[in-house]
Amino acid sequence: SAVISQKPSRDICQRGTSLTIQCQVDSQVTMMFWYRQQPGQSLTLIATANQGSEATYESGFVIDKFPISRPNLTFSTLTVSNMSPEDSSIYLCSGLQDLNTEAFFGQGTRLTVV
Amino acid sequence: RKEVEQDPGPFNVPEGATVAFNCTYSNSASQSFFWYRQDCRKEPKLLMSVYSSGNEDGRFTAQLNRASQYISLLIRDSKLSDSATYLCVVRGNNNDMRFGAGTRLTVKP
Repeated sequence: SAVISQKPSRDICQRGTSLTIQCQVDSQVTMMFWYRQQPGQSLTLIATANQGSEATYESGFVIDKFPISRPNLTFSTLTVSNMSPEDSSIYLCSGLQDLNTEAFFGQGTRLTVV
Repeated sequence: RKEVEQDPGPFNVPEGATVAFNCTYSNSASQSFFWYRQDCRKEPKLLMSVYSSGNEDGRFTAQLNRASQYISLLIRDSKLSDSATYLCVVRGNNNDMRFGAGTRLTVKP
């Protein structure tokens, strides 16, 4: 399957600032998604990143807080805006090469907000 | 009701044991099912897809019961290296993956 390079792998940020996480896939993928995994918990879908249009957000997540870009079929960014300690989590991007295959993941970004 | 429910465990078993994980899902229209494995501080990785007829990959057997909306994973002859969190995953209506809470397995010598 394709490989996703996600960066940064970790960061420590001041509250009130923003962080942009990038994911680059080594081949075109049909769909890309962003997840959050809080300590000791499973993955929660934040949004589906749509190529060339606004992302589709899950309940509880909004564009102002988590703006997402997907300018082409191999790249996406997630910004965590106006961060607070509650945003401390692991953020993972995921890709789907076609609709009949499984999803694969970037290595994750471990974010700590202080 | 959660979309995907799993017994969180933890399961602590000796080497060589057989262990089974269960999972239920709420969306009866779901078409694709998977088991992922997640090691500590790592991203989830596909362990196996789950097919209607059931499927086996070495020591791992996955089964699906659509009528009961139930998925299972059986691990035989457990190895120390099987220690991880096992995630039941169901493909959602928009092709996104919906994750269960995960079942933590520790295999001890």
